[in-house]
Amino acid sequence: QLQVQESGPGLVKPSETLSLSCTVSGGSINNNSYYWGWIRQPPGKGLEWIGSFYYSGNTYYNPSLKSRVTISVDMSKNQFSLKLTSVTAADTAMYYCAHHEPGGFDIWGQGTMVTVSS
Amino acid sequence: QSALTQPASVSGSPGQSITISCTGTTSDVGGYNYVSWYQHHAGKAPKLMIYDVTNRPSGVSDRFSGSKSGNTASLTISGLQPEDEADYYCNSYRSSSTRWVFGGGTKVTVL
Repeated sequence: QLQVQESGPGLVKPSETLSLSCTVSGGSINNNSYYWGWIRQPPGKGLEWIGSFYYSGNTYYNPSLKSRVTISVDMSKNQFSLKLTSVTAADTAMYYCAHHEPGGFDIWGQGTMVTVSS
Repeated sequence: QSALTQPASVSGSPGQSITISCTGTTSDVGGYNYVSWYQHHAGKAPKLMIYDVTNRPSGVSDRFSGSKSGNTASLTISGLQPEDEADYYCNSYRSSSTRWVFGGGTKVTVL
């Protein structure tokens, strides 16, 4: 059964880089079809798609974050990662990784809370 | 890049049916059959309830159904139960650099 799990620091200082990893188990990033993505939810707000990559290599980002976001893949570790630079308090959120197809995000991690504060 | 439009809240009594709307444009909801719905209980991961507009994943109750007309998609919950109380979000594929977009979310209250 395919599962994903987020990991990374829970506290990041303003202006620094937020780095999270998502470990895939029960299947291979390279062998599964479709997309792997990141979604976040700031406290008291709704879900926001951050970006996704297609298993064959193409990457897509939310234009509102594109200048600060990088999603990368480590096939050897069956992981994909999120980097968000120059963070501010507005980037404080629960961050989720997920497997998805064009029509639905079907496998979600439990989420990891990241707080931006000095 | 605006989110899809959902009502902030919907309520109903146990056993009743409720419908949540999700309005977009011809570039997203109206242009593709790639609308999905998520149930989100606080502190838990969002759960896929409907994908590709009308399809239910295995294990999701048939009390949940999805539909679409023009630029508006809808999620109907029939036979409302206390455990259905949660936040619900729609999502659509979009033909722009914003490939996927969520609605603002709807809080469902079971009276």
